[in-house]
Amino acid sequence: SQKIEQNSEALNIQEGKTATLTCNYTNYSPAYLQWYRQDPGRGPVFLLLIRENEKEKRKERLKVTFDTTLKQSLFHITASQPADSATYLCALAFDNFNKFYFGSGTKLNVKP
Amino acid sequence: GAGVSQSPSNKVTEKGKDVELRCDPISGHTALYWYRQSLGQGLEFLIYFQGNSAPDKSGLPSDRFSAERTGGSVSTLTIQRTQQEDSAVYLCASTAFSGNTIYFGEGSWLTVV
Repeated sequence: SQKIEQNSEALNIQEGKTATLTCNYTNYSPAYLQWYRQDPGRGPVFLLLIRENEKEKRKERLKVTFDTTLKQSLFHITASQPADSATYLCALAFDNFNKFYFGSGTKLNVKP
Repeated sequence: GAGVSQSPSNKVTEKGKDVELRCDPISGHTALYWYRQSLGQGLEFLIYFQGNSAPDKSGLPSDRFSAERTGGSVSTLTIQRTQQEDSAVYLCASTAFSGNTIYFGEGSWLTVV
């Protein structure tokens, strides 16, 4: 079965630094890979989507890369701020878009 | 509505009782998903509706779980004879078409005591 691995340990960084979160997957490469932000007690909020034929996607301070050879996506937040503190989830979808497979998320703590 | 609306936001029920969770998707969205999230865990797919097509029920964990979507809009997730392991946040999401941005509701927190 498809497995998605995100670092379960929290990532602690200093304000202004770049945060890098990792999403690794096994087996088949997805057609789409998405990143979401989830705050405590809230539903996930969509951030970025990258397709299998794209290497990199950017949106403001966010950047996502997708390496189908390594079976890995990296999610970067540049010039991080305390307000960026949250749990970040990656999700994979295949040709059948009926479902998205989610990782368990990585908690990011940005310290002032 | 402005976003995906779920009710109740919190539900405490006794083991063995039935519960119904409601989801009102964004107007015009044809696809609707139910996911479950246990404490500290990722989201577990439950069921997917797309327009008038037969739903993908492959994620429902047992026959105690069922869902329907009336008129292509509001959806109800029903859990019969609840068990303690059913305690989780049940998240509903909708999208305009498959593969596009998914919008989640805030979830229904279910606690079975």
